[in-house]
Amino acid sequence: SYELTQPLSVSVALGQTARITCGGDNIGSKNVHWYQQKPGQAPILVIYRDSNRPSGIPERFSGSNSGNTASLTISRAQAGDEAAYYCQVWASSIWVFGGGTKLTVL
Amino acid sequence: QVQLVQSGAEVKKPGASVKVSCKASGYTFKSYDINWVRQATGQGLEWMGWMNPNSGNTGYLQKFQGRVTMTRNTSTSTAYMELTSLRSEDTAIYYCARGDPPIAFDSWGQGTLVTVSS
Repeated sequence: SYELTQPLSVSVALGQTARITCGGDNIGSKNVHWYQQKPGQAPILVIYRDSNRPSGIPERFSGSNSGNTASLTISRAQAGDEAAYYCQVWASSIWVFGGGTKLTVL
Repeated sequence: QVQLVQSGAEVKKPGASVKVSCKASGYTFKSYDINWVRQATGQGLEWMGWMNPNSGNTGYLQKFQGRVTMTRNTSTSTAYMELTSLRSEDTAIYYCARGDPPIAFDSWGQGTLVTVSS
């Protein structure tokens, strides 16, 4: 079955840029979606189809996808961005989530 | 606005069944799949399966085949997920989420905590 690999944790200084990766076999050929989940809350969609932002999501959030790695980039990181982030793809007729990355803003 | 409102927390004994509901509003219920995702405490997201509210067709992750059933009531715009033969490892928050593949899940329910304990 298809697997997505994310780093367990990423740290970023306040105001700097954070990059969270999501690795998968030829993931560049798939649509990748990203979710943000804060403690005690349901996930929310922050990037869909690799690089598109839903309405209400700040421009500081961007995404890319090529080869075997997709990335979520958060520019000018704020304390409110501290959360778990999950990537997701549709592969072989099932939805697959990455294991999640805990973003810490220092 | 689109809303998915789930039923309240449940406590079940091992071997029992649980049925969680997800009431949709703010859009045409039949137009989007409803998915179910669960999350054990401190763990990641695990997709369980999908249901097409228009046709009633379903697709389940192999891990849950035989134990999960996803249904709907179109007159009340409500989706249901029933999980049987519960064990302690099924203790988790269960979420419903709207989304057709390969489109993302753009709206989620608030989650329902299911605790399985003797």
